[in-house]
Amino acid sequence: LAKTTQPISMDSYEGQEVNITCSHNNIATNDYITWYQQFPSQGPRFIIQGYKTKVTNEVASLFIPADRKSSTLSLPRVSLSDTAVYYCLVGDMDGGYNKLIFGAGTRLAVHP
Amino acid sequence: DTAVSQTPKYLVTQMGNDKSIKCEQNLGHDTMYWYKQDSKKFLKIMFSYNNKELIINETVPNRFSPKSPDKAHLNLHINSLELGDSAVYFCASSQEYLPSGQETQYFGPGTRLLVL
Repeated sequence: LAKTTQPISMDSYEGQEVNITCSHNNIATNDYITWYQQFPSQGPRFIIQGYKTKVTNEVASLFIPADRKSSTLSLPRVSLSDTAVYYCLVGDMDGGYNKLIFGAGTRLAVHP
Repeated sequence: DTAVSQTPKYLVTQMGNDKSIKCEQNLGHDTMYWYKQDSKKFLKIMFSYNNKELIINETVPNRFSPKSPDKAHLNLHINSLELGDSAVYFCASSQEYLPSGQETQYFGPGTRLLVL
């Protein structure tokens, strides 16, 4: 059973870089690592996904070490609008089908 | 246009009632999901349909019954509602089902269910 562990909450200030690390010690060989963002009263929204090394898009970067037992979501120069819950996901094979497991998430609060 | 829509947005009802939540996606996706998010913000998958076939059926009470009339719709019917069913229910869709968990899921705005 692949599980993820991430900090419950983090605080930052506008303009800073925020790094949220997720542990997934039991990740399966074929699993991808995905991060979602959820604002209050909205559904989660895909941010970034990777398998190994580094992935960057217009929103964030994802760093994955060689052993893939953890990953770090990096948000450059956060703004107040980045205040949200961030979920790190890996799969969980069950009955032949892989399903994404959402953990408790990390509540990021960005302050002015 | 809303990619994944759910109705109703809010649902307040009495214990013992039967209610349905509807979900529609206009993305042309093959796979749809139902999730439940409790008061502690834990998001748990309940069901998944791929091309109208049920592929994931988590351990939920059989009072919950999903129905997929076509690939664009996945409805959730709940019988004999209980207090513990109060939660936010999210519908999601993805282009396809991938065994690696690689698919990007698109979530609806949620249905806030309150059972009194």
